[in-house]
Amino acid sequence: QSVVTQPPSASGTPGQRVTISCSGSTSNIGSSAVNWYQQLPGTAPKLLIYSNNQRPSGVPDRFSGSKSGTSASLAISGLQSEDEADYYCALWDDSLNIRVFGGGTKLTVL
Amino acid sequence: EVQLLESGGGLAQPGGSLRLSCAASGFTFSNYAMHWVRQAPGKGLEWVSSIRSYGDAIYYADSVKGRFTISRDNSKNTLHLQMNSLRVEDTAVYYCAKGGTYSRSPLDFWGPGTLVTVSS
Repeated sequence: QSVVTQPPSASGTPGQRVTISCSGSTSNIGSSAVNWYQQLPGTAPKLLIYSNNQRPSGVPDRFSGSKSGTSASLAISGLQSEDEADYYCALWDDSLNIRVFGGGTKLTVL
Repeated sequence: EVQLLESGGGLAQPGGSLRLSCAASGFTFSNYAMHWVRQAPGKGLEWVSSIRSYGDAIYYADSVKGRFTISRDNSKNTLHLQMNSLRVEDTAVYYCAKGGTYSRSPLDFWGPGTLVTVSS
């Protein structure tokens, strides 16, 4: 069981906007930058968002991240069928010197 | 182009050992922290271990501390994970991932993974 919590599932229809939350505490999300990873079925994870809200080169601007206090969110606008994947939030806990992953959210495009 | 390729996975008995390797190319390996992350079948991602660019700082998850050893050979652009005293619960796909300059930097490139199965 992870110290940061994500909903196990989320869903939306094509074109819709969906958000995935990541909840923690002052000792993890509250004091660290949050990254988000996308894992398409049968593939390795890919960095989607880093430092709370930054997109690596090549990631569409449909994907955005935010953080407030002890929670972070990933938003996907203009949902597409190819966005169906597992999404993980993650951070480095400076006090424990460990990397923490959320439990993951399976996104289904209906 | 950054490339990471894991090898060394396979079947091991409980209590046995395996050594994973990750061959890196397309970037200056010695400048970056490297990481191992695993994923048990049907489960989420679990961080295993990290090593800073010159091996001056090493970190482990509690679940593998004392059993696994991460190391790197900057002259050969290779990352290793020595896994001893393997348990059934170590069964997973093991991913090698490139980090940044700092331990807290995101994992910006991942290898395709290698499957480790621990079973009698």
